[in-house]
Amino acid sequence: KAGVTQTPRYLIKTRGQQVTLSCSPISGHRSVSWYQQTPGQGLQFLFEYFSETQRNKGNFPGRFSGRQFSNSRSEMNVSTLELGDSALYLCASRPTGGPLYGYTFGSGTRLTVV
Amino acid sequence: SQQGEEDPQALSIQEGENATMNCSYKTSINNLQWYRQNSGRGLVHLILIRSNEREKHSGRLRVTLDTSKKSSSLLITASRAADTASYFCATADATDSWGKLQFGAGTQVVVTP
Repeated sequence: KAGVTQTPRYLIKTRGQQVTLSCSPISGHRSVSWYQQTPGQGLQFLFEYFSETQRNKGNFPGRFSGRQFSNSRSEMNVSTLELGDSALYLCASRPTGGPLYGYTFGSGTRLTVV
Repeated sequence: SQQGEEDPQALSIQEGENATMNCSYKTSINNLQWYRQNSGRGLVHLILIRSNEREKHSGRLRVTLDTSKKSSSLLITASRAADTASYFCATADATDSWGKLQFGAGTQVVVTP
């Protein structure tokens, strides 16, 4: 069974640019969550999608957005990049069943903004 | 903001010893989960304990949960060099749990041969 796949693995962007990160969940998982990990703030929740609907959103500015497709694949977009957006972005999926299950995380996309 | 704190921040032990780390949190929860992360890679789910459970075992892992104290502990018995990693506790809030986990700052564990 394939795990959660995130692409690309590494990305270098310039301030002011925008970036799109992709996440393919485990087959059959309809819930996809995104997290940002930085040395200073740790792991912070960005948003969660289920059946193409955003069900929850963390405390991030509107420059951070996401979407989910009918095949459960998800993308997140960051516009007008700032140096502080440099981070490891992690995607996670889980089976339907809510709090009964843990999450399977991808290996992450490491974004560097210069 | 992070849900709670983990203690200790770092732990250095020898192979064969036990490693214990603690996690405190602030709100009512549905469940508490522990994850492992190797060198800035993805997180690996270790164990989930529900709010109505007090103890759970999985292989060399033992997790306890005390909801009255809003705390949990993770015990790794007979540590191996491969257990070297950062360990995070994460909670699913009872009132805001849709896909959202709140993570602690993590405990960095180093197991030396």
